[in-house]
Amino acid sequence: DVQLVESGGGLVKPGGSLRLSCAASGFDFSSYTMKWVRQAPGKGLEWVSSISSTSRYIYYGDSVKGRFTISRDNPRNSMSLQMNSLRAEDTAVYYCSRDGVLTPGDFWGQGTLVTVSS
Amino acid sequence: AIQMTQSPSSLSASVGDRVTITCRASQGIRNDLAWYQQKPGRAPRLLIYGASSLHSGVPSRFSGSGSGTDFSLTISSLQPEDFAMYYCLQDYNYPRTFGQGTRLETK
Repeated sequence: DVQLVESGGGLVKPGGSLRLSCAASGFDFSSYTMKWVRQAPGKGLEWVSSISSTSRYIYYGDSVKGRFTISRDNPRNSMSLQMNSLRAEDTAVYYCSRDGVLTPGDFWGQGTLVTVSS
Repeated sequence: AIQMTQSPSSLSASVGDRVTITCRASQGIRNDLAWYQQKPGRAPRLLIYGASSLHSGVPSRFSGSGSGTDFSLTISSLQPEDFAMYYCLQDYNYPRTFGQGTRLETK
């Protein structure tokens, strides 16, 4: 079975840093584009960043560009999101998700909560 | 960035009703549109991809249509488990953009 498990969330002060991880299993991780999507409390879904299967193509949303860095380690079946210069508005549940060839977001993790507060 | 405008923002309906949610893109996106269902405290679930293709395991009462800029998600006969939030997503280009969501509530 496909499984995506996020970790690394927590409470951090404004201006601080946090690194999220997504552990994948049950599929050929190295063949899929992966992404991070976040959801602020009581709000809608916001795409954050995507990384292609070989890391050749990387994209960021405007709200995180220059502060967040997405990466992946295919041999270890994992993806990461390094978040720097965190702001209160980055507070959200962060989901990792797989993009199938035709099926965007066909599998999702359970999410990890990031709270940015002093 | 492409803007996705979803309507209505909320919808009250009863079990057995037929409901339709629409999503409009600010520019043409071919049929590169997906629909998701999300229940409280849960991750989103893919329902429809490519505007009209039903994802594996999704009941056939869900259907999608549209191309270009105008899209719709229809639930032919609402079931109790269908009351949830629904989102559209354009996967035509980056940055990916979601609609603001539609809350489907029981009347």
